Amino acid sequence: RKEVEQDPGPFNVPEGATVAFNCTYSNSASQSFFWYRQDCRKEPKLLMSVYSSGNEDGRFTAQLNRASQYISLLIRDSKLSDSATYLCVVNMATSYDKVIFGPGTSLSVIP
Amino acid sequence: DTGVSQNPRHKITKRGQNVTFRCDPISEHNRLYWYRQTLGQGPEFLTYFQNEAQLEKSRLLSDRFSAERPKGSFSTLEIQRTEQGDSAMYLCATDAGNSGNTIYFGEGSWLTVV
Repeated sequence: RKEVEQDPGPFNVPEGATVAFNCTYSNSASQSFFWYRQDCRKEPKLLMSVYSSGNEDGRFTAQLNRASQYISLLIRDSKLSDSATYLCVVNMATSYDKVIFGPGTSLSVIP
Repeated sequence: DTGVSQNPRHKITKRGQNVTFRCDPISEHNRLYWYRQTLGQGPEFLTYFQNEAQLEKSRLLSDRFSAERPKGSFSTLEIQRTEQGDSAMYLCATDAGNSGNTIYFGEGSWLTVV
């Protein structure tokens, strides 16, 4: 089993739609979690951290379920500019930090 | 501008040649990571430094790959005897050293082996 797995995608949604991405991680000792966004041929950039209580930033909501080792990202009212690859990131935090990326889920928002 | 600088940004090399990439982190960041990414895949962990100490190397990092961070500041990633399968984007990332800190990426170094 891979350390971090994501929905395979791609997701093709119309503007204004709500879309949800899922991510699971294998190491129950993992301590911190993030969603990164990556545009084509660019470096990943932080979208938001994920907290146990859940957190929201505008149209984006992230949830963490430690018991199920599951992370989600919800995007409401999708915009064309949301088209990108969304990477789930987990800090495995064994004897030291080890940051692992999921394979990414591609989103295309269609006019 | 993330503050993490990588160079060269693009490198085309013939198979069998050696290449070296450099990463200059954000100045106060003591942790530095190297990742490799191919099209359609997420970044794959290669190696990790805390200050000058290389704490982990992925099995992806064959004996042709070596990374250093001699003074705990900039880092280099060298690939010897390059193969076509080494063609990828090599990403450097740094953070300030506390769990939960944001990781900042450089813009990556694209390698094409012909």
